[in-house]
Amino acid sequence: DTAVSQTPKYLVTQMGNDKSIKCEQNLGHDTMYWYKQDSKKFLKIMFSYNNKELIINETVPNRFSPKSPDKAHLNLHINSLELGDSAVYFCASSQHKQGDTEAFFGQGTRLTVV
Amino acid sequence: AQSVTQLGSHVSVSEGALVLLRCNYSSSVPPYLFWYVQYPNQGLQLLLKYTTGATLVKGINGFEAEFKKSETSFHLTKPSAHMSDAAEYFCAVSPYGNNRLAFGKGNQVVVIP
Repeated sequence: DTAVSQTPKYLVTQMGNDKSIKCEQNLGHDTMYWYKQDSKKFLKIMFSYNNKELIINETVPNRFSPKSPDKAHLNLHINSLELGDSAVYFCASSQHKQGDTEAFFGQGTRLTVV
Repeated sequence: AQSVTQLGSHVSVSEGALVLLRCNYSSSVPPYLFWYVQYPNQGLQLLLKYTTGATLVKGINGFEAEFKKSETSFHLTKPSAHMSDAAEYFCAVSPYGNNRLAFGKGNQVVVIP
């Protein structure tokens, strides 16, 4: 069984569209994340949820909205997609302990905006 | 704020030679340090981590890293490179009491036969 699974794996869409990426983890973790990896492979955290509560919200455009219906799921909705949103988006999860944030990552969703 | 510096985006190493990837961090509080590996079109996989205790940490696939507080470093090594080690390697830091990971820019490792 896949520990952290994301769908879809690839997403090609036109500018201005709205799209969602789904993430599910079966590890029983209480914290989930979204990371963005740009074309230069640089990884940066976007959001983090702990027990369905938003705890990290980096400087991300309002067009990006995470939603966590329960501890095992964290979805990412993106409105009015722009060319610059093209990237690989990774979902991750961890069990929150004092700073020991070993995160388990999904396979990534490669988003291409044309 | 926490940050990680990885020098040399591309690292070429001959098969059987030493792999050395350098990582320096800055952190205002005791850090937790990680090395992740990313194979092409894959997610990130944890290689090893330092939290507390022994400063020499052994990970998977024959990799190890040593935490040196005085040098604010956490360099990754493997004595003998294998073709399967070709991948992207990321160093990351997480400050104590915070579940945010800050990544370095990564090292693309190429293994030459």
